Amino acid sequence: DPKIIQKPKYLVAVTGSEKILICEQYLGHNAMYWYRQSAKKPLEFMFSYSYQKLMDNQTASSRFQPQSSKKNHLDLQITALKPDDSATYFCASSQYTQDTQYFGPGTRLLVL
Amino acid sequence: GDSVIQMQGQVTLSENDFLFINCTYSTTGYPTLFWYVQYSGEGPQLLLQVTTANNKGSSRGFEATYDKGTTSFHLQKTSVQEIDSAVYYCAMRDFVNYNQGKLIFGQGTKLSIKP
Repeated sequence: DPKIIQKPKYLVAVTGSEKILICEQYLGHNAMYWYRQSAKKPLEFMFSYSYQKLMDNQTASSRFQPQSSKKNHLDLQITALKPDDSATYFCASSQYTQDTQYFGPGTRLLVL
Repeated sequence: GDSVIQMQGQVTLSENDFLFINCTYSTTGYPTLFWYVQYSGEGPQLLLQVTTANNKGSSRGFEATYDKGTTSFHLQKTSVQEIDSAVYYCAMRDFVNYNQGKLIFGQGTKLSIKP
């Protein structure tokens, strides 16, 4: 059974709309993360959360908002979508922020 | 700023060839270093990690040595197989903000193995 679930697997959106990317982990971890992988850039760190509290935010835009409703959930809300937001978004988790990170399968977002 | 450099964007080998993928890093101090592997359609998965300078990490026939002198963490495998075809990412943990969990990745090296 998959230990980190990301939904949906694929997502197509129109410019200006808003989407929520879902992430749930069943590893019993206390820290969760979001990374972005676009066509011409390496995996980029976006956010880290520990015990549902924001630890680090490396996104330049407030259009990206993580939401942690439960300890094992870290969703990513993206507002006012732009074509440049097209990328694969990976959720990851670890026991603590100093520990090995495990990645989910990703959500591939295409903004038209 | 902190960075991880992988100069080889793509490597093509035949089965049983020797693999060598370059990785160098730039930061202050001695960060934990990683190699992640990403198979088509999946998320990255940890291949190996080394926390201590001058130590070697190994997994599934892959090896990497943490060389603090040359700030390198090259990945090697003596004899590659077709199942090794994937993208390999070198990464390091942000050393200054260690407790915040940020990983910094290289550009990735796509390994293709001809049968």
